[in-house]
Amino acid sequence: GENVEQHPSTLSVQEGDSAVIKCTYSDSASNYFPWYKQELGKRPQLIIDIRSNVGEKKDQRIAVTLNKTAKHFSLHITETQPEDSAVYFCAASIITGRRALTFGSGTRLQVQP
Amino acid sequence: DSGVTQTPKHLITATGQRVTLRCSPRSGDLSVYWYQQSLDQGLQFLIQYYNGEERAKGNILERFSAQQFPDLHSELNLSSLELGDSALYFCASSVNPGDETQYFGPGTRLLVL
Repeated sequence: GENVEQHPSTLSVQEGDSAVIKCTYSDSASNYFPWYKQELGKRPQLIIDIRSNVGEKKDQRIAVTLNKTAKHFSLHITETQPEDSAVYFCAASIITGRRALTFGSGTRLQVQP
Repeated sequence: DSGVTQTPKHLITATGQRVTLRCSPRSGDLSVYWYQQSLDQGLQFLIQYYNGEERAKGNILERFSAQQFPDLHSELNLSSLELGDSALYFCASSVNPGDETQYFGPGTRLLVL
């Protein structure tokens, strides 16, 4: 099965700095990589995703990059704000496959004002 | 609000008991997923249903079972409960089983005493 490793487990940055979270996956057949944000006590919410036919995707202050050869993908948040503080989860799956999302262990991001 | 509903929000019970968690997917979504999130842990995939049929199985214990009904709502049954079963249980839904975007419900917080 798929195994997704996520680093770092905690990340503290100053407001306005950039934050980068990295994930590696094991199954080369995986072709869909979403990122979820989970605030304390709330549901995970999809913030951005990328498919394997694309190397980078951007949405305002958030970007995701994918390196299929190395089997890793990263979340980049620029100009961080206190409301970015949350736990971020990466995940991997096979579109149309019989395998649901495999999540990483999460990164707790703390943005210091 | 993702459109996915879960009841109850909170559940407190004793070891050895049995509980049922309920999930209603977003209107039009045919696939339902169940996840378990223990304290400070990631999201563990339990089971997936599509249009009433089991589609994929993850790390679901034999004491746990689920089903999806003709109206597409789903129930997760947890029996012979142990202290370690205390967790947040999330339901997510998507249009089709292979659809990548999953929408999460608010979760049911289970506390086993």
